[in-house]
Amino acid sequence: GAGVSQSPSNKVTEKGKDVELRCDPISGHTALYWYRQSLGQGLEFLIYFQGNSAPDKSGLPSDRFSAERTGGSVSTLTIQRTQQEDSAVYLCASSRGASQNIQYFGAGTRLSVL
Amino acid sequence: DQQVKQNSPSLSVQEGRISILNCDYTNSMFDYFLWYKKYPAEGPTFLISISSIKDKNEDGRFTVFLNKSAKHLSLHIVPSQPGDSAVYFCAASVTGNMLTFGGGTRLMVKP
Repeated sequence: GAGVSQSPSNKVTEKGKDVELRCDPISGHTALYWYRQSLGQGLEFLIYFQGNSAPDKSGLPSDRFSAERTGGSVSTLTIQRTQQEDSAVYLCASSRGASQNIQYFGAGTRLSVL
Repeated sequence: DQQVKQNSPSLSVQEGRISILNCDYTNSMFDYFLWYKKYPAEGPTFLISISSIKDKNEDGRFTVFLNKSAKHLSLHIVPSQPGDSAVYFCAASVTGNMLTFGGGTRLMVKP
């Protein structure tokens, strides 16, 4: 596609429910990144994929968070048993490869946990 | 420990004047630096970048300066336009790895 696509754009859920956020990177981009931006905060790194493998999961805040990438393309970020502190904008970015520094971002998914 | 800091949360500039946004970092391993611009309800948009082997990179109205000894970089916008009003994020990386972002500076350009 022309850019990084994320869905849904907005998600409202109840505390304790599981949510799945989807990212479709730019076609041909092999590296994919997840970040989140909490209210009034900067962007916080969550996880990085090169192809289908995740060499860096260091940013995942707890074991309730997981992500996968299949076919070297679409990625899903799953948050289990959501908590109110999970409320944030979740942003996905992609780049041409591991050695490429410029990352291109999607519009994000705004998650609200009630 | 914030490795990338933008100490000014906001900046107001008159149209046509220069906007200077500043960023400081602590990790000497960073070798690539980027500026992103963000409008509300949109993702960050890449603006300009600089490698640590350079001290200046220019692209139209935008120039990024890097002072490695001071671990400081700045973004200059000349002349500033109302459409430049947005939140600007400084980011740094060790090549190929995740970006570490500053907290952002909200720029307001007044007509």
